[in-house]
Amino acid sequence: GESVGLHLPTLSVQEGDNSIINCAYSNSASDYFIWYKQESGKGPQFIIDIRSNMDKRQGQRVTVLLNKTVKHLSLQIAATQPGDSAVYFCAEESGGSNYKLTFGKGTLLTVNP
Amino acid sequence: DAMVIQNPRYQVTQFGKPVTLSCSQTLNHNVMYWYQQKSSQAPKLLFHYYDKDFNNEADTPDNFQSRRPNTSFCFLDIRSPGLGDAAMYLCATSRDPLARRGTDTQYFGPGTRLTVL
Repeated sequence: GESVGLHLPTLSVQEGDNSIINCAYSNSASDYFIWYKQESGKGPQFIIDIRSNMDKRQGQRVTVLLNKTVKHLSLQIAATQPGDSAVYFCAEESGGSNYKLTFGKGTLLTVNP
Repeated sequence: DAMVIQNPRYQVTQFGKPVTLSCSQTLNHNVMYWYQQKSSQAPKLLFHYYDKDFNNEADTPDNFQSRRPNTSFCFLDIRSPGLGDAAMYLCATSRDPLARRGTDTQYFGPGTRLTVL
């Protein structure tokens, strides 16, 4: 079946370094992608989204890159801070009449001071 | 300030004892969702309401029901909780179906952690 998955389940970085979290998706019909951050004991928090007609979108300290050729999505966090420690999920919406987000497995980002 | 509110944050119930989880929103969004999230796993959609229209996921057990009495509130009813139903239950909202208009996305509440004894 269609799925969204993550390459790395855990990522540990030093404070101040840049972080890159990757996500692979298999549904070529997907046209909208979202990155969520989930801190322990909290609900997912929207970080940034991107549509399939774009290949890059920037936010504050975050950049999402979309490569439709290889069906790959990445989240780049610049100057990673301890507050960035969380699980990061990519999610896709594949269009059609359903309103469903399909979430990837999640990557645990740990920022070491 | 909170936009999606879930009560209670922690719920303990006994095996087989019905339980209801509550979600309310101040965003006036048309769509409300319920997800189940087990430890170290991604959220899994149970069902959603688009206005008053209920949409159940094919693999959602019959044990799970939902009610949406008005735009602001949505309830998750677990008729006979089993040990396997222990999880975080997340409520989310979106103004409209995703990706169709603007940059609307799903906004999540803080979740209710359900323990089944």
